[in-house]
Amino acid sequence: DAGVIQSPRHEVTEMGQEVTLRCKPISGHNSLFWYRQTMMRGLELLIYFNNNVPIDDSGMPEDRFSAKMPNASFSTLKIQPSEPRDSAVYFCASSLYGGADTQYFGPGTRLTVL
Amino acid sequence: EDQVTQSPEALRLQEGESSSLNCSYTVSGLRGLFWYRQDPGKGPEFLFTLYSAGEEKEKERLKATLTKKESFLHITAPKPEDSATYLCAVSTQGGSEKLVFGKGTKLTVNP
Repeated sequence: DAGVIQSPRHEVTEMGQEVTLRCKPISGHNSLFWYRQTMMRGLELLIYFNNNVPIDDSGMPEDRFSAKMPNASFSTLKIQPSEPRDSAVYFCASSLYGGADTQYFGPGTRLTVL
Repeated sequence: EDQVTQSPEALRLQEGESSSLNCSYTVSGLRGLFWYRQDPGKGPEFLFTLYSAGEEKEKERLKATLTKKESFLHITAPKPEDSATYLCAVSTQGGSEKLVFGKGTKLTVNP
């Protein structure tokens, strides 16, 4: 299996621009997670989906962030408009059965907002 | 609020010098404790899951143990390739199913 796939690996954008991060989970996994990692706050869960349905989005910082999962093999995390404080590494992870199950992480997208 | 604290924040060892990393947790009810390894520029890589106090798991030079309040990751005779950040996470009973991560221990093993 190819593991969790994320794109792009690096994104540099200017403040105010829209950013879209993409994720393909491991085939057969029913749950997908979006995390943000910074030096100050560590790894934080933003949102997770079970069977393509958002279950917990309490970690989404504000309305500028949105996530979708139109089918079992694809998800997006969108930031509009982006701000410099959004600069971080964003990880996607997937698991077979929910948030308490072992999660497998993608390589991450390093986002820099100038 | 569920909390996970890892110590030390950073640890430098000489090759062959065994040591332990600590993960202490405060949760309403532990469902599982997870250890991950993260190399620079990469996503966390799963190592172990522990479910109950007294449980132990091993993989090469690593052994994870669990008590009711903390977990240890023991590293025996480490090699430079063991250098990485080790993350601990817990999942809890009831409420939202999600992992709460500690901030990690950055391990450096010098040759």
